[in-house]
Order: sequence, then C-alpha cells, then structure tokens
Amino acid sequence: QKEVEQDPGPLSVPEGAIVSLNCTYSNSAFQYFMWYRQYSRKGPELLMYTYSSGNKEDGRFTAQVDKSSKYISLFIRDSQPSDSATYLCAMSAGGTSYGKLTFGQGTILTVHP
Amino acid sequence: EAGVAQSPRYKIIEKRQSVAFWCNPISGHATLYWYQQILGQGPKLLIQFQNNGVVDDSQLPKDRFSAERLKGVDSTLKIQPAKLEDSAVYLCASSFTGGNQPQHFGDGTRLSIL
Repeated sequence: QKEVEQDPGPLSVPEGAIVSLNCTYSNSAFQYFMWYRQYSRKGPELLMYTYSSGNKEDGRFTAQVDKSSKYISLFIRDSQPSDSATYLCAMSAGGTSYGKLTFGQGTILTVHP
Repeated sequence: EAGVAQSPRYKIIEKRQSVAFWCNPISGHATLYWYQQILGQGPKLLIQFQNNGVVDDSQLPKDRFSAERLKGVDSTLKIQPAKLEDSAVYLCASSFTGGNQPQHFGDGTRLSIL
C-alpha cells in the first residue's frame, strides 16, 4: 500500500463547475499538507499549505484536512480553463523527517469552456 | 525573485552513458532537494542538502547516482551509468531554511534513455 493515494483521474469538468480533488494517506505522523499544481512540462507550483486538521481558503481554492480520517481535499470553485493541470497532494511529518515530502501520483484535471 | 533554475531542459542519451544535471536554487535558500518524477507519478525525493551537507539520501540509488552541492549554492546530480528505468523528469527544489518551509520547484530536466 502506498503511503499517499490519489485518484489519477482524468477528471473533465465544464467551466464554472466546482471541482473536488482528494487524497488519502496511511502515515499518521503526517502533519503538514500541501497541494501543488503542475502544468505540462513545468515544475510543481505550490497552491495551498496547511498544518494539521481544518480548512484553509485562498480565493477560489479551499483545502480541507481531516486527520482523524487521514483524508485531505482541495476544492476549486468557479473552475476556469486555466485550471487545467495535474494536481498533486503532498505531505510531510515534520520533526526528524525535516521537510521530506511524500507526493500522491497526481490527478489530471481538464476544464473545458 | 528569480525562481529555481535548471539545465539542460531536455537530454537524450543511450543506456550505460553518463549524464549530469545542474540546479541553481533561489537566492538565500539553504535547503536544496532533487526529485525524480516518472511519467504518471508524483515526484520522489532522491536527496536533500542543507547548505552543502546531505540531510537525506536514503532513496538515492548510490551505485549509479551521485550529487554534490559545493559552496552551499549550486548543485549537480549525476547518473553513471544510466539505465532505461532512469527515464524521468529530474526536478530541483529549494526552501529557505528546510524543515517544513514551502518548497519551490524548477521546471526540471526531462531525461530520455534509448
């Protein structure tokens, strides 16, 4: 079993839709949770960064963390064609792991006009 | 602020040849990471430097991969000899102090092994 599981999709939605992306994990030591966006032939770009459980909102993006269920989500409201990319969840344990990120395999999202 | 710079962008070699990648992190960032991203997968950490010292290289295939970060700034990652399964994108990332500071990625070097 992988430490971080992410549905690879692909996911195709119409412009304006609400998108829900999810990851589950098995390592209860994970405390820091991130979502990266990766455009084709580009490096990952940090979208959201949260610590422990709870919600965080930034514009059209909302990240949720439920540590009791080992489940994290990213919601995109009013999705745009420019949101078409691969979305990667990533997490780290802190402490002695000192910044080591474990990534999901990524979900490919296409938003069509 | 200039981002993480990597070169070359693309490299094609034959198996058993050697190859080297270069990374220049964001100015002032003490921590530098090399990741391997195989097509359809998320990045996997190969090695982490704090200044010019290695923090974690537990997933680096040391029989063929090596990396150095002289003077705590630029870094090179080398593969010798290359195998077919090394075909991937090699990403460099940096963060200000390491720990759980956000990591900023370069656009990577896409390596194809023939």
